[in-house]
Formats: sequence, structure tokens, C-alpha cells
Amino acid sequence: ILNVEQSPQSLHVQEGDSTNFTCSFPSSNFYALHWYRWETAKSPEALFVMTLNGDEKKKGRISATLNTKEGYSYLYIKGSQPEDSATYLCAFDYGGSQGNLIFGKGTKLSVKP
Amino acid sequence: GAGVSQSPSNKVTEKGKDVELRCDPISGHTALYWYRQSLGQGLEFLIYFQGNSAPDKSGLPSDRFSAERTGGSVSTLTIQRTQQEDSAVYLCASSSTRLAGVTGGELFFGEGSRLTVL
Repeated sequence: ILNVEQSPQSLHVQEGDSTNFTCSFPSSNFYALHWYRWETAKSPEALFVMTLNGDEKKKGRISATLNTKEGYSYLYIKGSQPEDSATYLCAFDYGGSQGNLIFGKGTKLSVKP
Repeated sequence: GAGVSQSPSNKVTEKGKDVELRCDPISGHTALYWYRQSLGQGLEFLIYFQGNSAPDKSGLPSDRFSAERTGGSVSTLTIQRTQQEDSAVYLCASSSTRLAGVTGGELFFGEGSRLTVL
């Protein structure tokens, strides 16, 4: 059974704090690792799709790293803002015939002004 | 359309009734997915379509669930004889490519259909 773990489950930070979360996934049959942000009452939006070991991607204050050999990815948010409050989901693509991504349960981030 | 559209956004039904959820993907997207999120759980994969074809339906929770896609576009997820455990947010997503072993292909999600079975 393919399992994707995210930690922590939830996180409360103050505006301006920097934070990071972890996504662990199987280190075999790796094709891609996705990160999504899901704000309340909205649809999940893709942040990054990462495919290469050692990959680092950045979008504004948010960045992500990827280690496929050990099976983990980190998502970093620098200088958190209240609008960053959301659930952050990672998803593992193992290239299965079903074509589906295996999602973790997410990290719920709350940023207090 | 500009984005993935799902309807209804909210559905309250009585146990035992049938419900139909609709997804209109981004135009030209060949791959379409259904996921659901029950309270306190992660996203659970239900079914994937490449064009009109679903290679594997084993992700559907029971034989009360069925899904189809016509014309490589709109998809419907039907739940027969709904049960309380079917209450969840049902999310549809589409992507431009999703062949096995082909990387990339971020998913574009709809806002979901919240189903409550009383």
C-alpha cells in the first residue's frame, strides 16, 4: 500500500514567521511529487510539480525541495502572511496505470495577524 | 470553460436516495479524476478517466458508485441508495495529460460538491 505522510497535521504561526512542513513518500517508483494549496471554500491549486532529485522550486515566498532517494519533500514559507492560511497537500505520482496521485492528509496552516 | 466546474455545490439528501454529481473539466483536458474527502480524512481517489475510458474502477468504494464520461468532456458520478458514510466533499479535477509514466500534469480542481446524507 502506497502511503504519503505529511507533518505536522496543523500549525499555528504569527504573521512574519517562517515555517516549513514535510511530506514523506515511497522512495521507489517515483515519477513526480505535487504540492497543492487548498483554501477554505475554494478549490485546491497547484503550487509545484517536482520531478528530479534535488529539485528546488520557488514561487514568491514559497519554496520546495525534493529528495527522491530518501523519499521526502519540504515546503517552506518565508515571512508568513494571513493569506497563506490554508491546507497544504502533497501528492505522490508513481506512474500507476490508474493515473492517480496519492495524496497526504495535508498540513493545515493558520497565520495570525 | 475557464476552470473546472462542478454541480451541485451543495446537496442534502435522505438516506436511500440516488444522487448525481456533475463535473465539467477544462476544455481540451483529456484526463479527469474524481476524489472525495470525508470529515477528518485525506483525499481519497475514486476514479480516473483518460478520454472517455476509465482503466480501473477499483477505487470506487462500492457497487453503489458509478461514473461515466461522455464526449471526452463532462463526467457524472452517480451514487445509488446513498448511505450516511457517503457524506463528503466530492472533488473533480482535470489535467492536460495523464498517461501512465508521463510526469508532470498538474491537476486543476473544481470547488467540489458537498454531499450530506441525512
